[in-house]
Amino acid sequence: GENVEQHPSTLSVQEGDSAVIKCTYSDSASNYFPWYKQELGKRPQLIIDIRSNVGEKKDQRIAVTLNKTAKHFSLHITETQPEDSAVYFCAGNTGNQFYFGTGTSLTVIP
Amino acid sequence: DTEVTQTPKHLVMGMTNKKSLKCEQHMGHRAMYWYKQKAKKPPELMFVYSYEKLSINESVPSRFSPECPNSSLLNLHLHALQPEDSALYLCASSQLAPETQYFGPGTRLLVL
Repeated sequence: GENVEQHPSTLSVQEGDSAVIKCTYSDSASNYFPWYKQELGKRPQLIIDIRSNVGEKKDQRIAVTLNKTAKHFSLHITETQPEDSAVYFCAGNTGNQFYFGTGTSLTVIP
Repeated sequence: DTEVTQTPKHLVMGMTNKKSLKCEQHMGHRAMYWYKQKAKKPPELMFVYSYEKLSINESVPSRFSPECPNSSLLNLHLHALQPEDSALYLCASSQLAPETQYFGPGTRLLVL
């Protein structure tokens, strides 16, 4: 099955700076890569996703890039705000099975 | 309705108890999932139902028994659990793969 690695495990940034989280995957057949944000005590919520036929996708301050050849994808958050503080999980798929990365705990310092 | 709901929110049970977790969605999704999440860890897939049939069982112990009575409901029956089974149990649903999975709020389970 798929193996997804995620780095870094923790990330602290000053408010207004950018944050980048990187994931690599092993299954070349994976074709869907969602990113979830999970606040403490809450459910994981989708923030952005990308399919394998697209190299980049952007939604306001959030963007995701995908390099299929290198099998890695990244989450970019610009102009970070304190409410961006949370744990972020990437995932890759095998069919409708998601394999999650180990998570990145992002802290935005006001 | 764009939400997945789960009951109960919290559950405390002894190792000899039998209890059930419930999940419901009214988005017309044909795939439903159970995940287990320990603190500071990613969700770990347990079961997948597609068109109300169990399609994936990720080698989960038999003390966890899933059931999908209809396309909107998913249950997880618990029996003779161990303290290490204490975790957040998340339900999710999606259209068939590969599509966004929408998570419920979870049931926080404590096994004493």
